Amino acid sequence: DADVTQTPRNRITKTGKRIMLECSQTKGHDRMYWYRQDPGLGLRLIYYSFDVKDINKGEISDGYSVSRQAQAKFSLSLESAIPNQTALYFCATSDWDRGETGELFFGEGSRLTVL
Amino acid sequence: QKEVEQNSGPLSVPEGAIASLNCTYSDRVSQSFFWYRQYSGKSPELIMSIYSNGDKEDGRFTAQLNKASQYVSLLIRDSQPSDSATYLCAAPRGSASKIIFGSGTRLSIRP
Repeated sequence: DADVTQTPRNRITKTGKRIMLECSQTKGHDRMYWYRQDPGLGLRLIYYSFDVKDINKGEISDGYSVSRQAQAKFSLSLESAIPNQTALYFCATSDWDRGETGELFFGEGSRLTVL
Repeated sequence: QKEVEQNSGPLSVPEGAIASLNCTYSDRVSQSFFWYRQYSGKSPELIMSIYSNGDKEDGRFTAQLNKASQYVSLLIRDSQPSDSATYLCAAPRGSASKIIFGSGTRLSIRP
Protein backbone atom coordinates (compact mmCIF):
# COMPACT_ATOMS: atom_id res chain seq x y z
CA ASP A 1 0.00 0.00 0.00
CA ALA A 2 1.13 3.55 -0.71
CA ASP A 3 2.49 5.60 2.19
CA VAL A 4 0.48 8.65 1.07
CA THR A 5 -2.96 7.89 -0.29
CA GLN A 6 -5.22 10.32 -2.08
CA THR A 7 -8.90 9.86 -2.86
CA PRO A 8 -10.46 10.21 -5.31
CA ARG A 9 -7.83 9.78 -8.02
CA ASN A 10 -10.06 11.30 -10.65
CA ARG A 11 -13.15 13.45 -10.31
CA ILE A 12 -15.31 15.34 -12.77
CA THR A 13 -17.75 17.81 -11.31
CA LYS A 14 -19.81 20.83 -12.24
CA THR A 15 -19.37 24.49 -11.43
CA GLY A 16 -20.73 25.37 -8.00
CA LYS A 17 -20.45 21.89 -6.50
CA ARG A 18 -18.64 21.22 -3.25
CA ILE A 19 -15.70 18.86 -3.59
CA MET A 20 -13.48 17.24 -0.98
CA LEU A 21 -10.13 15.63 -1.73
CA GLU A 22 -8.81 13.40 0.99
CA CYS A 23 -5.28 12.46 1.96
CA SER A 24 -4.08 9.92 4.48
CA GLN A 25 -0.54 8.88 5.35
CA THR A 26 1.16 6.06 7.19
CA LYS A 27 4.61 7.67 7.41
CA GLY A 28 4.01 9.19 10.83
CA HIS A 29 4.98 12.66 9.59
CA ASP A 30 3.64 15.77 11.28
CA ARG A 31 3.84 18.00 8.21
CA MET A 32 1.28 17.72 5.44
CA TYR A 33 0.80 19.82 2.32
CA TRP A 34 -1.63 20.34 -0.53
CA TYR A 35 -0.27 21.47 -3.91
CA ARG A 36 -1.91 21.99 -7.27
CA GLN A 37 -0.13 21.48 -10.56
CA ASP A 38 -1.04 23.17 -13.81
CA PRO A 39 0.89 22.76 -17.06
CA GLY A 40 3.93 25.06 -17.12
CA LEU A 41 3.36 26.33 -13.58
CA GLY A 42 5.06 23.70 -11.49
CA LEU A 43 3.62 22.93 -8.07
CA ARG A 44 1.89 25.71 -6.19
CA LEU A 45 1.27 25.45 -2.47
CA ILE A 46 -2.35 25.75 -1.38
CA TYR A 47 -2.25 24.97 2.36
CA TYR A 48 0.12 23.30 4.75
CA SER A 49 -0.11 21.98 8.28
CA PHE A 50 2.65 21.30 10.78
CA ASP A 51 0.38 19.51 13.25
CA VAL A 52 -3.31 19.04 13.98
CA LYS A 53 -3.67 22.51 15.50
CA ASP A 54 -1.46 24.36 13.02
CA ILE A 55 -2.81 25.17 9.55
CA ASN A 56 -1.34 27.79 7.25
CA LYS A 57 -2.21 29.35 3.93
CA GLY A 58 0.13 28.82 1.03
CA GLU A 59 0.59 30.72 -2.23
CA ILE A 60 -2.91 30.20 -3.64
CA SER A 61 -5.41 29.49 -0.84
CA ASP A 62 -8.35 31.53 -2.14
CA GLY A 63 -11.30 29.28 -2.97
CA TYR A 64 -9.94 26.39 -0.90
CA SER A 65 -10.21 25.25 2.71
CA VAL A 66 -8.58 22.41 4.60
CA SER A 67 -9.16 20.23 7.62
CA ARG A 68 -6.53 18.30 9.59
CA GLN A 69 -8.69 15.65 11.19
CA ALA A 70 -5.79 13.73 12.69
CA GLN A 71 -2.05 13.53 12.33
CA ALA A 72 -2.54 11.13 9.44
CA LYS A 73 -5.38 12.88 7.61
CA PHE A 74 -5.50 16.17 5.74
CA SER A 75 -8.46 17.07 3.52
CA LEU A 76 -8.80 19.79 0.90
CA SER A 77 -12.22 21.26 0.11
CA LEU A 78 -13.48 23.38 -2.72
CA GLU A 79 -16.68 24.93 -1.36
CA SER A 80 -17.96 26.03 -4.75
CA ALA A 81 -15.86 24.65 -7.57
CA ILE A 82 -15.07 26.78 -10.62
CA PRO A 83 -13.52 25.76 -13.95
CA ASN A 84 -10.13 27.36 -13.26
CA GLN A 85 -9.73 24.97 -10.33
CA THR A 86 -9.34 22.20 -12.88
CA ALA A 87 -5.89 20.82 -12.09
CA LEU A 88 -3.87 17.94 -10.70
CA TYR A 89 -3.77 18.08 -6.91
CA PHE A 90 -1.02 16.50 -4.83
CA CYS A 91 -0.88 15.81 -1.14
CA ALA A 92 2.57 15.52 0.42
CA THR A 93 4.10 14.82 3.81
CA SER A 94 7.47 15.56 5.34
CA ASP A 95 9.46 15.30 8.50
CA TRP A 96 12.03 17.59 10.07
CA ASP A 97 15.58 17.46 8.75
CA ARG A 98 18.39 19.73 9.96
CA GLY A 99 15.83 22.00 11.58
CA GLU A 100 13.87 22.50 8.38
CA THR A 101 11.38 20.63 6.29
CA GLY A 102 12.99 17.61 4.72
CA GLU A 103 12.07 15.48 1.76
CA LEU A 104 8.47 15.65 0.58
CA PHE A 105 6.68 12.36 -0.02
CA PHE A 106 3.85 12.73 -2.50
CA GLY A 107 0.62 10.93 -3.06
CA GLU A 108 -0.28 9.78 -6.57
CA GLY A 109 -2.36 12.85 -7.26
CA SER A 110 -6.05 13.65 -7.69
CA ARG A 111 -7.09 14.90 -11.10
CA LEU A 112 -10.04 17.27 -10.79
CA THR A 113 -12.05 18.57 -13.73
CA VAL A 114 -14.64 21.28 -13.17
CA LEU A 115 -17.07 21.71 -16.05
CA GLN B 1 10.26 38.13 -8.97
CA LYS B 2 9.14 34.57 -8.42
CA GLU B 3 10.54 32.97 -5.29
CA VAL B 4 12.02 30.04 -7.20
CA GLU B 5 12.69 30.41 -10.92
CA GLN B 6 13.61 27.87 -13.55
CA ASN B 7 13.75 27.89 -17.33
CA SER B 8 10.74 25.91 -18.51
CA GLY B 9 12.55 24.31 -21.44
CA PRO B 10 12.18 22.00 -23.11
CA LEU B 11 15.86 21.24 -22.86
CA SER B 12 17.02 18.69 -25.42
CA VAL B 13 20.30 16.87 -24.79
CA PRO B 14 21.87 14.00 -26.77
CA GLU B 15 22.25 10.68 -25.04
CA GLY B 16 25.55 10.44 -23.19
CA ALA B 17 25.99 14.20 -22.85
CA ILE B 18 25.77 16.35 -19.74
CA ALA B 19 22.41 17.97 -18.98
CA SER B 20 22.58 21.18 -16.98
CA LEU B 21 19.51 22.46 -15.14
CA ASN B 22 19.45 25.80 -13.37
CA CYS B 23 17.41 27.43 -10.62
CA THR B 24 17.52 30.79 -8.84
CA TYR B 25 15.78 31.70 -5.61
CA SER B 26 14.91 34.97 -3.92
CA ASP B 27 14.84 34.15 -0.18
CA ARG B 28 18.32 34.51 1.29
CA VAL B 29 17.16 32.77 4.47
CA SER B 30 16.71 29.46 2.65
CA GLN B 31 19.23 26.89 3.85
CA SER B 32 18.24 23.73 2.00
CA PHE B 33 17.42 23.06 -1.62
CA PHE B 34 15.90 20.13 -3.41
CA TRP B 35 15.69 18.71 -6.90
CA TYR B 36 12.67 16.57 -7.71
CA ARG B 37 12.11 14.53 -10.86
CA GLN B 38 8.63 14.05 -12.23
CA TYR B 39 7.81 11.62 -15.00
CA SER B 40 4.74 12.37 -17.08
CA GLY B 41 1.60 11.39 -15.20
CA LYS B 42 3.50 10.54 -12.02
CA SER B 43 4.15 12.26 -8.72
CA PRO B 44 7.45 14.05 -8.03
CA GLU B 45 10.27 12.15 -6.36
CA LEU B 46 13.34 13.56 -4.64
CA ILE B 47 16.62 12.97 -6.42
CA MET B 48 18.98 15.42 -4.69
CA SER B 49 19.09 17.70 -1.68
CA ILE B 50 21.86 20.17 -0.91
CA TYR B 51 22.46 22.32 2.16
CA SER B 52 26.00 23.72 1.84
CA ASN B 53 27.78 25.81 -0.74
CA GLY B 54 29.66 23.78 -3.31
CA ASP B 55 28.98 20.51 -5.04
CA LYS B 56 27.23 17.35 -3.92
CA GLU B 57 27.55 14.25 -6.05
CA ASP B 58 25.33 11.18 -6.12
CA GLY B 59 26.01 8.79 -8.96
CA ARG B 60 25.45 10.56 -12.26
CA PHE B 61 23.86 13.55 -10.51
CA THR B 62 25.68 16.59 -9.12
CA ALA B 63 23.95 19.45 -7.34
CA GLN B 64 25.74 22.77 -7.08
CA LEU B 65 24.81 25.52 -4.64
CA ASN B 66 26.03 29.12 -4.57
CA LYS B 67 24.27 31.00 -1.78
CA ALA B 68 25.96 34.31 -2.56
CA SER B 69 24.48 34.23 -6.07
CA GLN B 70 21.27 32.51 -4.89
CA TYR B 71 21.75 29.87 -7.51
CA VAL B 72 21.40 26.11 -7.48
CA SER B 73 21.98 23.75 -10.39
CA LEU B 74 21.70 20.09 -11.25
CA LEU B 75 24.08 18.32 -13.61
CA ILE B 76 23.24 14.94 -15.06
CA ARG B 77 26.25 13.16 -16.56
CA ASP B 78 26.02 10.44 -19.21
CA SER B 79 22.38 11.35 -19.86
CA GLN B 80 20.08 8.43 -20.54
CA PRO B 81 16.64 8.33 -22.21
CA SER B 82 15.24 7.40 -18.79
CA ASP B 83 16.33 10.84 -17.57
CA SER B 84 13.67 12.43 -19.79
CA ALA B 85 11.32 14.05 -17.29
CA THR B 86 10.43 17.37 -15.71
CA TYR B 87 12.87 18.53 -13.05
CA LEU B 88 11.54 20.70 -10.24
CA CYS B 89 13.69 22.89 -8.03
CA ALA B 90 12.34 23.53 -4.52
CA ALA B 91 13.34 25.59 -1.49
CA PRO B 92 11.88 26.36 1.93
CA ARG B 93 10.39 29.79 2.27
CA GLY B 94 11.75 31.64 5.25
CA SER B 95 11.38 30.47 8.81
CA ALA B 96 8.01 28.85 8.14
CA SER B 97 9.71 26.19 6.07
CA LYS B 98 6.93 25.88 3.55
CA ILE B 99 8.36 24.34 0.42
CA ILE B 100 8.07 26.44 -2.73
CA PHE B 101 8.66 24.95 -6.18
CA GLY B 102 9.85 26.43 -9.42
CA SER B 103 7.79 25.91 -12.56
CA GLY B 104 9.99 22.99 -13.63
CA THR B 105 12.30 22.32 -16.59
CA ARG B 106 11.26 19.68 -19.08
CA LEU B 107 14.30 17.62 -20.13
CA SER B 108 14.35 15.43 -23.22
CA ILE B 109 17.24 13.05 -23.90
CA ARG B 110 17.44 12.24 -27.59
CA PRO B 111 19.00 8.92 -28.67
